[in-house]
Amino acid sequence: DAKTTQPPSMDCAEGRAANLPCNHSTISGNEYVYWYRQIHSQGPQYIIHGLKNNETNEMASLIITEDRKSSTLILPHATLRDTAVYYCIVITKDAGNMLTFGGGTRLMVKP
Amino acid sequence: GAVVSQHPSWVICKSGTSVKIECRSLDFQATTMFWYRQFPKQSLMLMATSNEGSKATYEQGVEKDKFLINHASLTLSTLTVTSAHPEDSSFYICSAKGGGNTIYFGEGSWLTVV
Repeated sequence: DAKTTQPPSMDCAEGRAANLPCNHSTISGNEYVYWYRQIHSQGPQYIIHGLKNNETNEMASLIITEDRKSSTLILPHATLRDTAVYYCIVITKDAGNMLTFGGGTRLMVKP
Repeated sequence: GAVVSQHPSWVICKSGTSVKIECRSLDFQATTMFWYRQFPKQSLMLMATSNEGSKATYEQGVEKDKFLINHASLTLSTLTVTSAHPEDSSFYICSAKGGGNTIYFGEGSWLTVV
């Protein structure tokens, strides 16, 4: 699976949009971009995933660049409860269930 | 949506005893589940792959005799930490693939060995 690079930490003001970048320059054509987050002392929570088109659900939006070498997770109106570590993971859907976690981005939403 | 549940959420045990952690897929069947361990301020590290009806596959450096995994049914995998020591204290998390090929995680189980 392709390696991902994320900034170790970010701050965001409550109510503002949080834009979390992820670099995956070695991504291959059949690999998806998945985003999970982990709130302190809990198991990771699925947020969203995509292949090449931008995706949106009730939690977030995922913007994937045309060359697919990077993506951005957008939380449109961050709340204090969005404070968590966000993981960007690249994986093929038929590779099984294993996910390899990098360091992630620790997002701190401040009042 | 798919839900993965772990039990217990918190456990404290004496050094030298064994502890069993359960991972259940509540509304779907999972032929494969994964067990992760996470130390404070670190990322999740894969320990082993639990396969229904067959032996688990362990990652390099993980002792199979110490971390016993049993996947006796399509909805239940158990991780037993045998002869636990304080250095085994950690956050243990399982995962399984649900509908739509999305991977879901359990709530995690905190183990403290005293």
